[in-house]
Amino acid sequence: QVQLVQSGAEGKKPGASVKVSCKASGYTFTTYGISWVRQAPGQGLEWMGWISADNGNTDYAQNLQGRVTMTTDTSTTTAYMELRSLRSDDTAVYLCARHLVTSSEDYFDYWGQGTLVTVSS
Amino acid sequence: DIQMTQSPSSLSASVGDRVTITCRASQSISSYLNWYQQKPGNAPKLLIYAASSLQSGVPSRFSGSGSGTDFTLTITSLQSEDFATYYCQQSYSSPRTFGQGTKVEI
Repeated sequence: QVQLVQSGAEGKKPGASVKVSCKASGYTFTTYGISWVRQAPGQGLEWMGWISADNGNTDYAQNLQGRVTMTTDTSTTTAYMELRSLRSDDTAVYLCARHLVTSSEDYFDYWGQGTLVTVSS
Repeated sequence: DIQMTQSPSSLSASVGDRVTITCRASQSISSYLNWYQQKPGNAPKLLIYAASSLQSGVPSRFSGSGSGTDFTLTITSLQSEDFATYYCQQSYSSPRTFGQGTKVEI
């Protein structure tokens, strides 16, 4: 069965960086992309960006450009999201999701369990 | 960016009720509209993709309709496990954007 298993919770100070991992299993990793979505406490869902697991192409949300980097390691079927220059408003649960893209469909069909990143001095 | 607006933001309903949630896009998105359900402490779950296609394993009491700018999620005969927050999401263009959510409460 398809599973996305994320790394554990992180506590960081303002200005630091965090790297969250998302280990995929149960499907051909390079057939799908991975999107990252975050959710601040008590708030809605915010899409952060997408990476193709096939060729490494990326598409980042404009408000995170320059601070976020998404990568994949096909040998371990793991996706990574690194966020730099952390601020208190980056405190959120970070979720990875398998992202299917076809000519007529585009959706997130499986999700990781989420990783809480807390930014505090 | 395409803005997604859901209404209502919250609603109270009873088991057995028919519930309708609407989602409006700030510009036409054809049928590139998905619906997710999220329960507290859990990741979102895909319910409907491409506006009206039911994701495998999702009960048939969930249905979606619409195209262009106006979309609807309908739950016929609400069950206790359906109390959750529902989000629409457009996949027509980048950045993918979500509605603000609709909380369905008892």
